[in-house]
Amino acid sequence: QVQLQESDPGLLKPSETLSLTCTVSGASIGNYYWTWIRQSPGKELEWIGSIYYGGSANYNPSLKSRVTISTDLSKNQFSLKLHSVTAADTAVYYCARDPYGGNSPYFDHWGQGTLVTVSS
Amino acid sequence: SYELTQPPSVSVSPGQTARITCSGDALPKKYAYWYQQKSGQAPVLVIYEDNKRPSGIPERFSGSTSGTLATLSISGAQVEDEADYYCYSTDNSGPPRPVFGPGTKVTVL
Repeated sequence: QVQLQESDPGLLKPSETLSLTCTVSGASIGNYYWTWIRQSPGKELEWIGSIYYGGSANYNPSLKSRVTISTDLSKNQFSLKLHSVTAADTAVYYCARDPYGGNSPYFDHWGQGTLVTVSS
Repeated sequence: SYELTQPPSVSVSPGQTARITCSGDALPKKYAYWYQQKSGQAPVLVIYEDNKRPSGIPERFSGSTSGTLATLSISGAQVEDEADYYCYSTDNSGPPRPVFGPGTKVTVL
């Protein structure tokens, strides 16, 4: 079955860069769209961005200036970089699969999530 | 920016039907999806494309839409259905932008 596992970035200080990797098993990175979503302590879910292998990434306009999502087919992984983090970026970060992408994106398999804390 | 609106909480007695609504201006043209999230766990897809159930989701979960309103119904609610439920859809302008509703806490007691 499809499984996704986020890496654990630990504690970050303000202005640092958040780097996360999602390792996928049971599905090929090359065949689907892949997404990062985060959930704030207040429980709001926020789409960060999505990517299709070999294609360009789409980002949430509110984060676009700070976000990069990329894929690594050889490792069957995809990654997130969020630059210049602040306390407002403290959240649980999830990676997820989007089976269709295009005009009807949604997320059918999720990782367990990893807590990212930004604090000085 | 596009928003989806849900009630903060819904309470239901075991065996009764819980209904959770989600309002959004683009719902007449865009599919609605529903996610269940239990405490400390990742969200789980329970309804996709307005009214379809993924494999493994109990039949008591159903979805419907009417105009700008989508509804998730839990028929014969069970204690294990107690969770946060999020509706999800996309906006109707330009490239589709994923949007989640604020979530509804369902209490079964």
